[in-house]
Amino acid sequence: DTEVTQTPKHLVMGMTNKKSLKCEQHMGHRAMYWYKQKAKKPPELMFVYSYEKLSINESVPSRFSPECPNSSLLNLHLHALQPEDSALYLCASSRDFYNEQFFGPGTRLTVL
Amino acid sequence: GQQVMQIPQYQHVQEGEDFTTYCNSSTTLSNIQWYKQRPGGHPVFLIQLVKSGEVKKQKRLTFQFGEAKKNSSLHITATQTTDVGTYFCLFGNEKLTFGTGTRLTIIP
Repeated sequence: DTEVTQTPKHLVMGMTNKKSLKCEQHMGHRAMYWYKQKAKKPPELMFVYSYEKLSINESVPSRFSPECPNSSLLNLHLHALQPEDSALYLCASSRDFYNEQFFGPGTRLTVL
Repeated sequence: GQQVMQIPQYQHVQEGEDFTTYCNSSTTLSNIQWYKQRPGGHPVFLIQLVKSGEVKKQKRLTFQFGEAKKNSSLHITATQTTDVGTYFCLFGNEKLTFGTGTRLTIIP
């Protein structure tokens, strides 16, 4: 299984809502990533988990809260988002940090 | 901080023409990866380069890593409509930074 799955595919939320994005891989990868991608822009790294520990936080606002419950799962908890947070959120995994990354299809988030 | 320049921003070619995109870093890199993202899709890994001066080929695609490990290029020979998409380099250092991308469109 060389697939990274993400749910939901689309999410519309208000600025006062709390929601979560989920990511799962069963390739035995020990590094997992969250990226944010705006239209016609490159993905921007948000967080990296390595061996289930948060190893990189790219100064992301606290309204985004990552969680890695186990080596196969990665969550991104969202609270009090702003309209400018609307974007495609991509999850990726790799065998180790710096290795080839496998990306999920992304969650298209719209904040109203 | 590290800056990743990728040129050109856009490339519009006739089918069968060649295409090249370049990435330049202000700092020496440990490695570089290349990804392709189709319209509406997600990035897909193409190759990783690690060694100074390294050249790798995948069918019509040729990847190069500069001698100083500060630049890289992706060259596609005889483009096909399936090559349409945005090509990104990804710099690997203590951080991971994507280049700005080159969007390739093809006239059939």
